Amino acid sequence: KAGVTQTPRYLIKTRGQQVTLSCSPISGHRSVSWYQQTPGQGLQFLFEYFSETQRNKGNFPGRFSGRQFSNSRSEMNVSTLELGDSALYLCASSLVGQGTEAFFGQGTRLTVV
Amino acid sequence: QKEVEQNSGPLSVPEGAIASLNCTYSDRVSQSFFWYRQYSGKSPELIMSIYSNGDKEDGRFTAQLNKASQYVSLLIRDSQPSDSATYLCAAGGYQKVTFGTGTKLQVIP
Repeated sequence: KAGVTQTPRYLIKTRGQQVTLSCSPISGHRSVSWYQQTPGQGLQFLFEYFSETQRNKGNFPGRFSGRQFSNSRSEMNVSTLELGDSALYLCASSLVGQGTEAFFGQGTRLTVV
Repeated sequence: QKEVEQNSGPLSVPEGAIASLNCTYSDRVSQSFFWYRQYSGKSPELIMSIYSNGDKEDGRFTAQLNKASQYVSLLIRDSQPSDSATYLCAAGGYQKVTFGTGTKLQVIP
């Protein structure tokens, strides 16, 4: 059974650029949650998508957005990158949503220079 | 007050000893609890889920839940150097999950 796949694994971007990250959940899982993780900050929740609808949203600026496709794959986009956006971005796949067992992808490490 | 609190550590235990990791949560309606292991530079890996009061054992791992005290713990028996990692506790409710900031465990050979 394939796990959660995130692409790309590493990214280096310049301030002001935008970036799109992708997450393919476990087959049959309909929920994808996105997190930002930085040293000392722990996991910060960005948003959750379930059946192509954003169900929950964390406290991040509008530069952070996402979407989910009919095959449950999800993308998140960050526009106008700032140095502080450098982080490990993780997606978590679950069958029916937050509060149930969730499995993380390998993450995308974004560096903004 | 943080919703899920963990001691950041590091918690140092000798190889072969029992490591005890603790977590408290503030939301009384939390129904599901999870332990994740995260190696440095890697993503979190789900190692235990617990939903009912009491103990749940899986190999060398035992999760303990006490809803009255709003307390969750993870015991690792016969600790190995490969157990050295950060352990994240998470509390889940209806369409919601909250993670703690993690406890760093160091197993000393």
